[in-house]
Amino acid sequence: GAGVSQSPRYKVAKRGQDVALRCDPISGHVSLFWYQQALGQGPEFLTYFQNEAQLDKSGLPSDRFFAERPEGSVSTLKIQRTQQEDSAVYLCASSLPQGGYTFGSGTRLTVV
Amino acid sequence: QKEVEQDPGPLSVPEGAIVSLNCTYSNSAFQYFMWYRQYSRKGPELLMYTYSSGNKEDGRFTAQVDKSSKYISLFIRDSQPSDSATYLCAMNYGGSQGNLIFGKGTKLSVKP
Repeated sequence: GAGVSQSPRYKVAKRGQDVALRCDPISGHVSLFWYQQALGQGPEFLTYFQNEAQLDKSGLPSDRFFAERPEGSVSTLKIQRTQQEDSAVYLCASSLPQGGYTFGSGTRLTVV
Repeated sequence: QKEVEQDPGPLSVPEGAIVSLNCTYSNSAFQYFMWYRQYSRKGPELLMYTYSSGNKEDGRFTAQVDKSSKYISLFIRDSQPSDSATYLCAMNYGGSQGNLIFGKGTKLSVKP
């Protein structure tokens, strides 16, 4: 596609509910990143894929967070048993080996 | 102390002014430096991408990197109301192969 597509744009979850956030990167982009952006803050790294391999998951805040990219294209970020502190915008970015990252518009998650 | 420091502002300037945005960082291993613009409820959009020290110009935007001082700048000439957004600096070790470390972002408002 023309850009990085994320869905849903907005998600309201009750505390304790599981959520799944989807990222559709630019076709042919090898690298895919997930970031978490709290209100008034810069994005914070969560995890990084190169094709289907998850090369770095050091930014995932707890074992409730899980990401996958099984066929090296679409990626899903799953959050189990959501808590209020998980409320944030979740951004996905993809890139080619040279050049900067292209971000999607993000999924705004609100846990109530 | 965070790895990347950026004054969050807000910064308000009249249309046509020259805007100077800055970040400092602590990790001398950073090699790739980027500036992103983020409009409200949108993902970050890459403005400038530079490697190591020096200047890079693109239209009304100039990015400067001073690795000896661990200081990067973005200058916007002839600022326009459409430049009103949050500007995020970002940097990393490996370009597109590694996660980005972001500043907090500076909120800029250009008044007509």
